[in-house]
Amino acid sequence: DVKVTQSSRYLVKRTGEKVFLECVQDMDHENMFWYRQDPGLGLRLIYFSYDVKMKEKGDIPEGYSVSREKKERFSLILESASTNQTSMYLCASRSEWGGEQFFGPGTRLTVL
Amino acid sequence: TQLLEQSPQFLSIQEGENLTVYCNSSSVFSSLQWYRQEPGEGPVLLVTVVTGGEVKKLKRLTFQFGDARKDSSLHITAAQPGDTGLYLCAGEAGSARQLTFGSGTQLTVLP
Repeated sequence: DVKVTQSSRYLVKRTGEKVFLECVQDMDHENMFWYRQDPGLGLRLIYFSYDVKMKEKGDIPEGYSVSREKKERFSLILESASTNQTSMYLCASRSEWGGEQFFGPGTRLTVL
Repeated sequence: TQLLEQSPQFLSIQEGENLTVYCNSSSVFSSLQWYRQEPGEGPVLLVTVVTGGEVKKLKRLTFQFGDARKDSSLHITAAQPGDTGLYLCAGEAGSARQLTFGSGTQLTVLP
């Protein structure tokens, strides 16, 4: 059974803290993505990566950075968390040949 | 930037009713996918439509891709409470690595 896993389902952090969200996929996919999901705004792409050590900005990269040191792992970093980054964060992966995009279960992050 | 607009944004119906969700764009897509997301989970693929005018059926769900490949619809017949969830359409365009997602339709089917 193919899987995308995320390190935490729920996370509570304080304003100004550095936050790491980890994502691992076991499908040997080249493409990995980080989205945030907010009511009424749908899925908004933060960053994506199409190869190890490669990254591209999505629609809302401000306040975030990413790291992809290994093919199966894609990390989202909030350098200094702010309350407006409270959201559901979804990681996804997809083959370079297209097709289905596989999502993790999401991390609900609350920044106090 | 390509945009996909979904309508309606919210839909609450009684069990047994029929419904249609729409996904529209001014852009042409090479394929269009429909996902369903249940509370606390990530979206899961329901179907992919590729050819203009294509119709695919998944039990009580019927998906159609517009002739010009700019729009799609999802029709559910005799909705059941288990159909409750967020329905997302996503378009794939050319060589773009990422999908363009619609804003979603939150469906609630009341018993």
